[in-house]
Amino acid sequence: DGGITQSPKYLFRKEGQNVTLSCEQNLNHDAMYWYRQDPGQGLRLIYYSQIVNDFQKGDIAEGYSVSREKKESFPLTVTSAQKNPTAFYLCASSYGTFNGYTFGSGTRLTVV
Amino acid sequence: SQQGEEDPQALSIQEGENATMNCSYKTSINNLQWYRQNSGRGLVHLILIRSNEREKHSGRLRVTLDTSKKSSSLLITASRAADTASYFCATETEVRLGRRALTFGSGTRLQVQP
Repeated sequence: DGGITQSPKYLFRKEGQNVTLSCEQNLNHDAMYWYRQDPGQGLRLIYYSQIVNDFQKGDIAEGYSVSREKKESFPLTVTSAQKNPTAFYLCASSYGTFNGYTFGSGTRLTVV
Repeated sequence: SQQGEEDPQALSIQEGENATMNCSYKTSINNLQWYRQNSGRGLVHLILIRSNEREKHSGRLRVTLDTSKKSSSLLITASRAADTASYFCATETEVRLGRRALTFGSGTRLQVQP
């Protein structure tokens, strides 16, 4: 079955560490996205990529970095510059203008 | 930035009743989408309405869109306990030339009592 796989499901980060969240899709979608969700709130856009080797900052990109070397993969690195990284991170993909987005099951990141 | 405001923030109803959620947004849009999220899980796409459409149905879901008021509503008819979840509206806009992204509202938490 096609879908988006995010790993790990839970991740713990020590102060000052960089961590990388994985997002892989086998839907052949061109566009991929990273969103952050804080408790009781909606989703905020971190980074997005419409095609391979192209990505753009979203509303809250500071302290995050991404790469898009393959169509299937869009990893997110949470750097030590992100001062408040504890959150639920969701990856999504889409194709075309009039189709819904497909979301992964999320990674919950906690700073310890 | 949060594009939309959703109303109400929380809604509690009995099984069999209808649930209505409203969403307002600020900028022009390509389309508006509604998603469902069960606690601690990913989002599931429910329905999409284009900017030139006024109403759309899918099973027990009915969505309306008023672009002059920049607002939308989601109606779930004959609700079930399994409909208990958070519901989000999201507007798709062209964030840069040829690049699209969703902007989400803050969500409505629906509780359906059996």
